[in-house]
Amino acid sequence: AQSVTQPDIHITVSEGASLELRCNYSYGATPYLFWYVQSPGQGLQLLLKYFSGDTLVQGIKGFEAEFKRSQSSFNLRKPSVHWSDAAEYFCAVGATSGTYKYIFGTGTRLKVLA
Amino acid sequence: ETGVTQSPTHLIKTRGQQVTLRCSSQSGHNTVSWYQQALGQGPQFIFQYYREEENGRGNFPPRFSGLQFPNYSSELNVNALELDDSALYLCASSPISGGARNEQFFGPGTRLTVL
Repeated sequence: AQSVTQPDIHITVSEGASLELRCNYSYGATPYLFWYVQSPGQGLQLLLKYFSGDTLVQGIKGFEAEFKRSQSSFNLRKPSVHWSDAAEYFCAVGATSGTYKYIFGTGTRLKVLA
Repeated sequence: ETGVTQSPTHLIKTRGQQVTLRCSSQSGHNTVSWYQQALGQGPQFIFQYYREEENGRGNFPPRFSGLQFPNYSSELNVNALELDDSALYLCASSPISGGARNEQFFGPGTRLTVL
C-alpha cells in the first residue's frame, strides 16, 4: 500500500540553526514527491517537487530536499531557519498512474525559537 | 491569473444536515481534487473530477459526493453530517495534460464545523 511517514510530529529549532525534516514513503515504483508548507488557517503552498533526474532538488524560501531511493526517503533541509518558517510541513507522494491523487504524511509542526 | 478559490471560508452545521462546498479551479485547469484535513492530520484524498466525471475516489462513504461543471468548477456535497466530518476541506486543481507530473494547486480551504 502507498503511504508516507513523517516520524517527527513536532520539531523545535533556534533561529539561524539548520533544519532537517524527515519523510519516508512506500510506493511500488519511483514516485513523484512533494513538500508543502501550511501556515495556520491557510491552504498548502508547494515548496519543492521531485519527478526524476538530479536527486537533490531546490525549492522556494531556501529549502532543498534529497531523494534517496535506497532509503525510500525524501528529507527536507534548510541551512538556516528564519522565524517566519514556523509552520506545518507535509510530505506527499503523487500517484504516477490512474487517479493522480496525492498521499500525504501526517505533517511535522516546526517551532522556531528567537 | 486567478488561483484556486473556495467558498465559504467557514461553515457551521449540525449533525444530520447537508452541506455544499464550492471550488473554482485555476484558469486552464480541468482537473479538481478534494481533500479532507482533520485537525492535526494530513489531507486525505476524497475524490477527483476530470471533464465532469469522477476520476477516482478515496476511502470515503457515498454520502460524500461531488460535481464538476463545464467551466471546471466543482462542488463537494456531504449528506447526513457527522461530528467527525468537522475538518478543513481543501480543493486542488491541476491541468491534466501532463498527467501525474502536474502539480496540484490548492485553495485556502473551507473550515467545516459540525455540532
